[in-house]
Amino acid sequence: GEDVEQSLFLSVREGDSSVINCTYTDSSSTYLYWYKQEPGAGLQLLTYIFSNMDMKQDQRLTVLLNKKDKHLSLRIADTQTGDSAIYFCAEREEGGKLIFGQGTELSVKP
Amino acid sequence: GAGVSQSPSNKVTEKGKDVELRCDPISGHTALYWYRQSLGQGLEFLIYFQGNSAPDKSGLPSDRFSAERTGGSVSTLTIQRTQQEDSAVYLCASRRGQVYGYTFGSGTRLTVV
Repeated sequence: GEDVEQSLFLSVREGDSSVINCTYTDSSSTYLYWYKQEPGAGLQLLTYIFSNMDMKQDQRLTVLLNKKDKHLSLRIADTQTGDSAIYFCAEREEGGKLIFGQGTELSVKP
Repeated sequence: GAGVSQSPSNKVTEKGKDVELRCDPISGHTALYWYRQSLGQGLEFLIYFQGNSAPDKSGLPSDRFSAERTGGSVSTLTIQRTQQEDSAVYLCASRRGQVYGYTFGSGTRLTVV
């Protein structure tokens, strides 16, 4: 079945850039999403990219999509301690179902 | 309301009892989803409703789980004869159209003792 893979942990220093990577298997995915989950909180939509785009930038966030390799990344510029959270990559199947990765726990050290 | 509302926010139940979890999606959102998040795990798809179409139930883990969506709005997820492995946070999400992202509720934390 469809699968979304992420590395489980990432640790960076405050002010550095963070890059969270994700791979997916469904070549018919229409949209790909990044969600943020802070401790004890729900899921917050950060950004999404349509599958015919290569890049999307939104303030400190840059999403890169390599459709050939089925690789998605989220870059956070000037990472702050408030960015510490779990980041989930998700692909949307043609039928509308969202398939999530396991989440990457980002730890930002001062 | 402005967001997806789920109730109760916390539920503790005894093993073997039935529970009902409720989701009020954003008004006008045609698609509604239920996911389950176990401790330290990702999100597991359970069921998906889209308009008047038959729901996609492919993620329901057993026949103890069922869900309905009345009038294209409120949804109820029912777990019969709860087991300890059912303990998790149950998340509901709704989506307006094809282009937009999915908005999640804060979830119901279910603990089976």
